Amino acid sequence: DQQVKQNSPSLSVQEGRISILNCDYTNSMFDYFLWYKKYPAEGPTFLISISSIKDKNEDGRFTVFLNKSAKHLSLHIVPSQPGDSAVYFCAAGVYGGATNKLIFGTGTLLAVQP
Amino acid sequence: DAGVIQSPRHEVTEMGQEVTLRCKPISGHNSLFWYRQTMMRGLELLIYFNNNVPIDDSGMPEDRFSAKMPNASFSTLKIQPSEPRDSAVYFCASRGPPLRDTQYFGPGTRLTVL
Repeated sequence: DQQVKQNSPSLSVQEGRISILNCDYTNSMFDYFLWYKKYPAEGPTFLISISSIKDKNEDGRFTVFLNKSAKHLSLHIVPSQPGDSAVYFCAAGVYGGATNKLIFGTGTLLAVQP
Repeated sequence: DAGVIQSPRHEVTEMGQEVTLRCKPISGHNSLFWYRQTMMRGLELLIYFNNNVPIDDSGMPEDRFSAKMPNASFSTLKIQPSEPRDSAVYFCASRGPPLRDTQYFGPGTRLTVL
């Protein structure tokens, strides 16, 4: 049972435009959400996070939005750059919980075309 | 400051052989995680340790898989005997400062079982 779902395996965007990556979760206990970025032959690297007390967190070109009622989060990249081409994983967990597992989605491959 | 270190980076072995993957977490981190990445399941948590103690091994696929953490700076994931379906990229991650609830990943070990 996939508790964290990324339904789009891939996304292609033109350089300079907005990239929107989506993620849905089913477990209402999750209150901490993260996005990781992964280049080929490298490990995932942390990109941005959000806790459930917020509905938006921004870091430069990257913004994560959280809709708790819909159990949905999204990552916006504006403007998109060719160097953003990578696989993006969303992950969810319980902040400060006794069990500090993160559940990851299956990833979305973003291709930013020059 | 060194990140998570994994060795080897690539491993090619024959079916039936024993495989040992190694991980050195970031100094000062007290949680360590082993993941497997496949196309079908994305990033799949195999096992994690808190303070060198295995907390949850429910993701370990079979008895052929075992993991140890003899001290705070070293962990191993062993597969014995290995099978072709074990071919995947295996990641180790550790959790701790600077962001307490964020996991930091190593570069991964690409395992190919022939």
